[in-house]
Amino acid sequence: QVQLQESGPGLVKPSQTLSLTCTVSGGSISSGSFYWSWIRQHPGKGLEWIGYTYHTGSTYSNPSLKSRLTISEDTSKNQFSLKLSSATAADTAVYYCARAPLHCTSTSCFPLHFDSWGQGTLVTVSS
Amino acid sequence: QSVLTQPPSVSAAPGQKVTISCSGSSSIGNNYVSWYQQLPGTAPRLIIYENNKRPSGIPDRFSGSKSGTSATLGITGLQTGDEADYYCGTWDSSLSADVFGGGTKLTVL
Repeated sequence: QVQLQESGPGLVKPSQTLSLTCTVSGGSISSGSFYWSWIRQHPGKGLEWIGYTYHTGSTYSNPSLKSRLTISEDTSKNQFSLKLSSATAADTAVYYCARAPLHCTSTSCFPLHFDSWGQGTLVTVSS
Repeated sequence: QSVLTQPPSVSAAPGQKVTISCSGSSSIGNNYVSWYQQLPGTAPRLIIYENNKRPSGIPDRFSGSKSGTSATLGITGLQTGDEADYYCGTWDSSLSADVFGGGTKLTVL
């Protein structure tokens, strides 16, 4: 059974880059069957999708974060990462990594749902 | 403001049934809906996928349906352990983005 684990600094200063890594075990991120994703949850609020990476290197990003967001993967370590530049207090949240099976039609592919989640890690942006 | 609309809260007595609605525009109409349960202090867990399918280990007390641009989560035989936040989600093809509902807090009285 696949397991995901987030890691990274729990405290980031404003204007710096928020960086997190998700380590995947029990499955390969090189599998063509899944998107690997980041989701966050502001304190006391709902879920917000951040973005995906796919094994080809393709990424999809939430339009509201796209200008600050980089998602990448390291297949040799079976990890994928999130970098969010110019962090502000509004980026304070619990960050989850998750796996999403993909579905392809004759014209496009898209994610189906999030079937495995990491436990989440709280990142606070504060001086 | 979420693309998908859920009631902020629902409540029912133990043993009873509750439904949680999730409404949206073409995002729901065109793609599968999934539902997630988030117990206090834990990560979300998938409980319904592809509108009405249950992952292994999810009891059949949980069910899902979709009609047009709305989806519904049903929970029967409510237990105190079902108290959680529930979120619907889907892929919005027009946005090329995953979207979630704002979440519904279930209280089992």
